[in-house]
Amino acid sequence: AQSVAQPEDQVNVAEGNPLTVKCTYSVSGNPYLFWYVQYPNRGLQFLLKYITGDNLVKGSYGFEAEFNKSQTSFHLKKPSALVSDSALYFCAVRDPLGGYNKLIFGAGTRLAVHP
Amino acid sequence: DAGVIQSPRHEVTEMGQEVTLRCKPISGHDYLFWYRQTMMRGLELLIYFNNNVPIDDSGMPEDRFSAKMPNASFSTLKIQPSEPRDSAVYFCASRETTDQRETLTYNEQFFGPGTRLTVL
Repeated sequence: AQSVAQPEDQVNVAEGNPLTVKCTYSVSGNPYLFWYVQYPNRGLQFLLKYITGDNLVKGSYGFEAEFNKSQTSFHLKKPSALVSDSALYFCAVRDPLGGYNKLIFGAGTRLAVHP
Repeated sequence: DAGVIQSPRHEVTEMGQEVTLRCKPISGHDYLFWYRQTMMRGLELLIYFNNNVPIDDSGMPEDRFSAKMPNASFSTLKIQPSEPRDSAVYFCASRETTDQRETLTYNEQFFGPGTRLTVL
């Protein structure tokens, strides 16, 4: 079955420290991978995507993600966390069996950045 | 562009009542998606349209749910009759197809702010 997993419900990090939010996937064929962020009472905002090319993808607000095909992972990273990064983060993968447009979302990881 | 617009932002209704949620996609986007978000089930795709035509409604939970897109700038999601288990945040998203399969580009979906539905 096509799926995406975010193994951590919550990640806690101190402001200024590096952060990593983990995502692994299981899809047939080449994955199209996405990260979205959701702030309280807001919709999902696109952060970055991997379609092809360089395995390190840079996105909005200083975030980046590394595609690792052998480990089927697409972890989200930021070198120095801000309190304002505290939010709910979703990893998503295009469903290759659901037509060209359907995305499969992970359950989400809540990031808490402490001052 | 104002982004994806949804109304109302909050809706509180009583069980058995009809509920209509509205969405205006980003101008020029030819795909429109309706999602439901709950703590228990996460983010679920309910239905999506391409050029106003429903393409996949396999995520619609039951016949009480219906969605329409009468034109490129407006879509509705209707629940009739509503039940307490329908309480959730409903998101609309849109996407522009300028994908190039040859060069492997793929455009992301843009989400609206959501409608928080509470059915008492």
